[in-house]
Amino acid sequence: ETGVTQSPTHLIKTRGQQVTLRCSSQSGHNTVSWYQQALGQGPQFIFQYYREEENGRGNFPPRFSGLQFPNYSSELNVNALELDDSALYLCASSLGSYNEQFFGPGTRLTVL
Amino acid sequence: RKEVEQDPGPFNVPEGATVAFNCTYSNSASQSFFWYRQDCRKEPKLLMSVYSSGNEDGRFTAQLNRASQYISLLIRDSKLSDSATYLCVVFVSNDYKLSFGAGTTVTVRA
Repeated sequence: ETGVTQSPTHLIKTRGQQVTLRCSSQSGHNTVSWYQQALGQGPQFIFQYYREEENGRGNFPPRFSGLQFPNYSSELNVNALELDDSALYLCASSLGSYNEQFFGPGTRLTVL
Repeated sequence: RKEVEQDPGPFNVPEGATVAFNCTYSNSASQSFFWYRQDCRKEPKLLMSVYSSGNEDGRFTAQLNRASQYISLLIRDSKLSDSATYLCVVFVSNDYKLSFGAGTTVTVRA
Protein backbone atom coordinates (compact mmCIF):
# COMPACT_ATOMS: atom_id res chain seq x y z
CA GLU A 1 0.00 0.00 0.00
CA THR A 2 1.46 3.35 -1.04
CA GLY A 3 1.04 6.20 1.40
CA VAL A 4 0.25 9.82 0.66
CA THR A 5 3.03 11.62 -1.17
CA GLN A 6 3.51 15.32 -1.82
CA SER A 7 5.80 17.30 -4.07
CA PRO A 8 7.89 19.31 -3.87
CA THR A 9 9.13 18.97 -0.29
CA HIS A 10 10.37 22.55 -0.13
CA LEU A 11 9.72 25.60 -2.27
CA ILE A 12 10.81 29.23 -2.19
CA LYS A 13 8.81 31.86 -4.04
CA THR A 14 8.55 35.64 -4.04
CA ARG A 15 5.51 37.79 -3.40
CA GLY A 16 3.08 37.94 -6.30
CA GLN A 17 4.19 34.66 -7.83
CA GLN A 18 2.00 31.61 -8.30
CA VAL A 19 2.64 28.11 -6.99
CA THR A 20 1.29 24.62 -7.62
CA LEU A 21 1.62 21.88 -5.02
CA ARG A 22 0.89 18.25 -5.75
CA CYS A 23 -0.48 15.34 -3.78
CA SER A 24 -0.89 11.67 -4.59
CA SER A 25 -3.50 10.02 -2.44
CA GLN A 26 -3.12 6.69 -0.74
CA SER A 27 -4.13 3.72 -2.86
CA GLY A 28 -7.91 3.20 -2.71
CA HIS A 29 -8.69 6.68 -1.36
CA ASN A 30 -11.03 8.97 -3.30
CA THR A 31 -10.99 12.08 -1.10
CA VAL A 32 -8.23 14.63 -0.66
CA SER A 33 -8.17 17.47 1.86
CA TRP A 34 -5.67 20.31 1.95
CA TYR A 35 -4.48 22.12 5.07
CA GLN A 36 -2.20 25.06 5.78
CA GLN A 37 -0.08 24.92 8.92
CA ALA A 38 1.70 28.10 9.97
CA LEU A 39 4.53 27.88 12.47
CA GLY A 40 3.25 27.17 15.97
CA GLN A 41 -0.32 26.65 14.81
CA GLY A 42 -2.50 23.68 14.06
CA PRO A 43 -3.39 22.83 10.47
CA GLN A 44 -6.16 24.98 9.00
CA PHE A 45 -8.58 23.42 6.52
CA ILE A 46 -8.36 24.89 3.03
CA PHE A 47 -10.70 22.64 1.03
CA GLN A 48 -11.61 19.05 0.26
CA TYR A 49 -12.07 17.23 -3.03
CA TYR A 50 -14.24 14.18 -3.44
CA ARG A 51 -14.44 12.47 -6.82
CA GLU A 52 -13.03 15.53 -8.59
CA GLU A 53 -15.50 18.01 -7.04
CA GLU A 54 -14.82 20.54 -4.29
CA ASN A 55 -16.67 19.21 -1.28
CA GLY A 56 -16.12 21.85 1.37
CA ARG A 57 -13.99 24.95 1.86
CA GLY A 58 -12.44 26.75 4.79
CA ASN A 59 -11.87 30.49 5.24
CA PHE A 60 -9.36 30.96 2.46
CA PRO A 61 -9.60 33.51 -0.37
CA PRO A 62 -10.33 32.49 -3.97
CA ARG A 63 -6.66 32.76 -4.90
CA PHE A 64 -6.39 29.35 -3.24
CA SER A 65 -7.79 26.87 -5.73
CA GLY A 66 -7.49 23.20 -6.42
CA LEU A 67 -8.12 20.27 -8.67
CA GLN A 68 -8.59 16.58 -8.29
CA PHE A 69 -7.81 14.24 -11.15
CA PRO A 70 -9.50 10.97 -12.17
CA ASN A 71 -6.78 9.01 -10.38
CA TYR A 72 -7.68 11.04 -7.23
CA SER A 73 -4.38 12.86 -7.08
CA SER A 74 -4.76 16.56 -6.42
CA GLU A 75 -3.19 19.97 -6.89
CA LEU A 76 -3.32 23.08 -4.76
CA ASN A 77 -2.73 26.34 -6.61
CA VAL A 78 -2.04 29.63 -4.90
CA ASN A 79 -1.97 32.85 -6.94
CA ALA A 80 -0.57 36.23 -6.01
CA LEU A 81 1.50 34.84 -3.15
CA GLU A 82 1.72 36.87 0.04
CA LEU A 83 4.30 36.68 2.81
CA ASP A 84 1.67 35.15 5.14
CA ASP A 85 1.29 32.21 2.77
CA SER A 86 4.58 30.88 4.10
CA ALA A 87 3.61 27.64 5.81
CA LEU A 88 3.61 23.88 5.69
CA TYR A 89 0.94 22.68 3.26
CA LEU A 90 -0.46 19.28 4.14
CA CYS A 91 -2.53 17.01 2.01
CA ALA A 92 -4.58 14.20 3.55
CA SER A 93 -6.40 11.40 1.78
CA SER A 94 -9.30 9.28 2.94
CA LEU A 95 -11.96 6.93 1.67
CA GLY A 96 -14.88 9.35 1.70
CA SER A 97 -15.30 12.42 3.86
CA TYR A 98 -16.06 10.62 7.11
CA ASN A 99 -13.18 8.19 7.43
CA GLU A 100 -9.73 8.58 8.88
CA GLN A 101 -7.51 11.02 7.01
CA PHE A 102 -3.91 10.05 6.35
CA PHE A 103 -1.49 12.92 5.93
CA GLY A 104 1.37 13.32 3.53
CA PRO A 105 4.73 14.71 4.65
CA GLY A 106 3.82 18.21 3.48
CA THR A 107 5.34 20.90 1.29
CA ARG A 108 7.12 23.70 3.09
CA LEU A 109 6.52 26.94 1.21
CA THR A 110 8.53 30.06 1.91
CA VAL A 111 7.43 33.35 0.38
CA LEU A 112 10.05 36.10 0.34
CA ARG B 1 -13.48 32.46 19.30
CA LYS B 2 -11.33 29.64 17.94
CA GLU B 3 -13.13 26.42 17.05
CA VAL B 4 -10.70 24.31 19.05
CA GLU B 5 -8.56 25.65 21.90
CA GLN B 6 -5.74 23.89 23.66
CA ASP B 7 -3.30 24.69 26.43
CA PRO B 8 -0.08 25.08 24.44
CA GLY B 9 2.11 23.88 27.29
CA PRO B 10 4.87 22.95 27.19
CA PHE B 11 4.42 20.13 29.65
CA ASN B 12 7.86 19.07 30.77
CA VAL B 13 7.68 15.77 32.66
CA PRO B 14 10.11 13.06 33.82
CA GLU B 15 9.98 9.57 32.39
CA GLY B 16 7.35 7.49 34.12
CA ALA B 17 5.18 10.46 35.05
CA THR B 18 1.53 10.93 34.18
CA VAL B 19 0.57 13.97 32.16
CA ALA B 20 -2.91 15.14 31.22
CA PHE B 21 -4.28 18.04 29.24
CA ASN B 22 -7.57 19.22 27.77
CA CYS B 23 -8.99 20.97 24.82
CA THR B 24 -12.30 22.75 24.35
CA TYR B 25 -14.38 23.06 21.19
CA SER B 26 -16.97 25.66 20.31
CA ASN B 27 -19.24 23.93 17.79
CA SER B 28 -21.89 21.89 19.59
CA ALA B 29 -22.65 20.14 16.28
CA SER B 30 -19.21 18.50 16.31
CA GLN B 31 -19.60 14.81 15.79
CA SER B 32 -16.23 13.11 15.91
CA PHE B 33 -13.19 13.77 18.02
CA PHE B 34 -9.58 12.73 17.74
CA TRP B 35 -6.14 13.19 19.13
CA TYR B 36 -3.34 13.43 16.58
CA ARG B 37 0.35 13.41 17.33
CA GLN B 38 2.81 15.58 15.42
CA ASP B 39 6.56 15.27 15.71
CA CYS B 40 8.76 18.22 14.89
CA ARG B 41 8.55 19.12 11.20
CA LYS B 42 6.56 15.98 10.40
CA GLU B 43 2.97 15.36 9.39
CA PRO B 44 0.21 14.74 11.95
CA LYS B 45 -0.63 11.11 12.66
CA LEU B 46 -3.77 9.78 14.27
CA LEU B 47 -3.13 8.78 17.87
CA MET B 48 -6.66 7.79 18.80
CA SER B 49 -10.30 8.52 18.28
CA VAL B 50 -12.28 9.77 21.27
CA TYR B 51 -15.58 8.12 22.11
CA SER B 52 -18.37 9.37 24.33
CA SER B 53 -17.80 6.60 26.83
CA GLY B 54 -14.09 7.33 27.03
CA ASN B 55 -11.48 4.98 25.67
CA GLU B 56 -8.02 3.66 26.35
CA ASP B 57 -5.22 2.62 24.07
CA GLY B 58 -2.35 1.25 26.08
CA ARG B 59 -0.94 4.09 28.16
CA PHE B 60 -3.24 6.67 26.56
CA THR B 61 -6.73 7.49 27.84
CA ALA B 62 -9.10 9.89 26.11
CA GLN B 63 -12.29 11.35 27.54
CA LEU B 64 -15.07 13.37 25.95
CA ASN B 65 -17.46 15.63 27.82
CA ARG B 66 -20.12 16.78 25.37
CA ALA B 67 -22.03 18.84 27.93
CA SER B 68 -18.98 20.98 28.68
CA GLN B 69 -17.52 20.57 25.19
CA TYR B 70 -14.09 19.42 26.17
CA ILE B 71 -11.82 16.51 25.40
CA SER B 72 -8.93 15.26 27.46
CA LEU B 73 -5.88 13.10 26.94
CA LEU B 74 -3.96 11.37 29.70
CA ILE B 75 -0.62 9.69 29.19
CA ARG B 76 0.54 7.26 31.86
CA ASP B 77 4.08 6.04 32.43
CA SER B 78 5.51 8.60 30.00
CA LYS B 79 8.29 7.50 27.67
CA LEU B 80 10.92 9.64 26.01
CA SER B 81 9.27 8.75 22.71
CA ASP B 82 6.03 10.43 23.84
CA SER B 83 7.71 13.82 23.35
CA ALA B 84 5.66 15.49 20.62
CA THR B 85 2.90 17.99 19.98
CA TYR B 86 -0.58 16.60 20.56
CA LEU B 87 -3.30 18.06 18.38
CA CYS B 88 -6.93 18.03 19.44
CA VAL B 89 -9.14 17.54 16.38
CA VAL B 90 -12.87 17.89 15.89
CA PHE B 91 -14.92 16.81 12.88
CA VAL B 92 -18.12 18.57 11.84
CA SER B 93 -19.80 16.54 9.13
CA ASN B 94 -21.69 19.48 7.60
CA ASP B 95 -18.39 21.19 6.85
CA TYR B 96 -16.52 18.05 5.79
CA LYS B 97 -13.50 19.30 7.64
CA LEU B 98 -11.23 18.52 10.51
CA SER B 99 -10.70 21.47 12.86
CA PHE B 100 -7.38 21.36 14.66
CA GLY B 101 -6.26 23.00 17.85
CA ALA B 102 -2.86 24.65 17.91
CA GLY B 103 -1.40 21.72 19.83
CA THR B 104 -0.05 20.91 23.27
CA THR B 105 3.68 20.30 23.46
CA VAL B 106 4.86 17.51 25.73
CA THR B 107 8.53 16.94 26.51
CA VAL B 108 9.49 13.84 28.47
CA ARG B 109 12.94 14.02 30.04
CA ALA B 110 15.17 11.21 31.21
